[in-house]
Amino acid sequence: ILNVEQSPQSLHVQEGDSTNFTCSFPSSNFYALHWYRWETAKSPEALFVMTLNGDEKKKGRISATLNTKEGYSYLYIKGSQPEDSATYLCASSNNAGNMLTFGGGTRLMVKP
Amino acid sequence: DSGVTQTPKHLITATGQRVTLRCSPRSGDLSVYWYQQSLDQGLQFLIQYYNGEERAKGNILERFSAQQFPDLHSELNLSSLELGDSALYFCASSDSNRQETQYFGPGTRLLVL
Repeated sequence: ILNVEQSPQSLHVQEGDSTNFTCSFPSSNFYALHWYRWETAKSPEALFVMTLNGDEKKKGRISATLNTKEGYSYLYIKGSQPEDSATYLCASSNNAGNMLTFGGGTRLMVKP
Repeated sequence: DSGVTQTPKHLITATGQRVTLRCSPRSGDLSVYWYQQSLDQGLQFLIQYYNGEERAKGNILERFSAQQFPDLHSELNLSSLELGDSALYFCASSDSNRQETQYFGPGTRLLVL
């Protein structure tokens, strides 16, 4: 069983601040790392899927990096906006490939 | 809107009862996954079906079962319900058996009284 951890648990930032949070996962038998954005009362929305060490993905002001050797991924948000307020989840899968193990999430609140 | 639908949205029932949650995957997706989100835990993987066959099993209790039908919709059956089964149940779908993006439905919130 994989153990995925995210930090911090919650984060309060001002509008315009840039921020980042961490996802750590067991590096043995790693297959893929997923990031999701989960707004209250909605379903988790897929942001990125990354598989290769050194991978970097970007979607607008949000980007993510992956280090499979040391078992961590960073999610960056540049110039946070109130609409970025959500819980950001990461999930890892092993070589079997079909089961996601989720971290506890980082709850981001952006104050206008 | 992810294209994954789940019914019902909310369900209130009593201990000892049995309920069925339903999920329709995105058009063309063959894999369906079920997850449970309890108050004190993160999203926990329960079970996966691919094109009608069970492919992976996670922390699913013996009181719970699932199936995927020929039209690819899936049902999660929860029986002998306990207070601790109260949770948000998500269904997700993807277009293959391997590691593709999983698209989540809106969830069914179950409250067991």
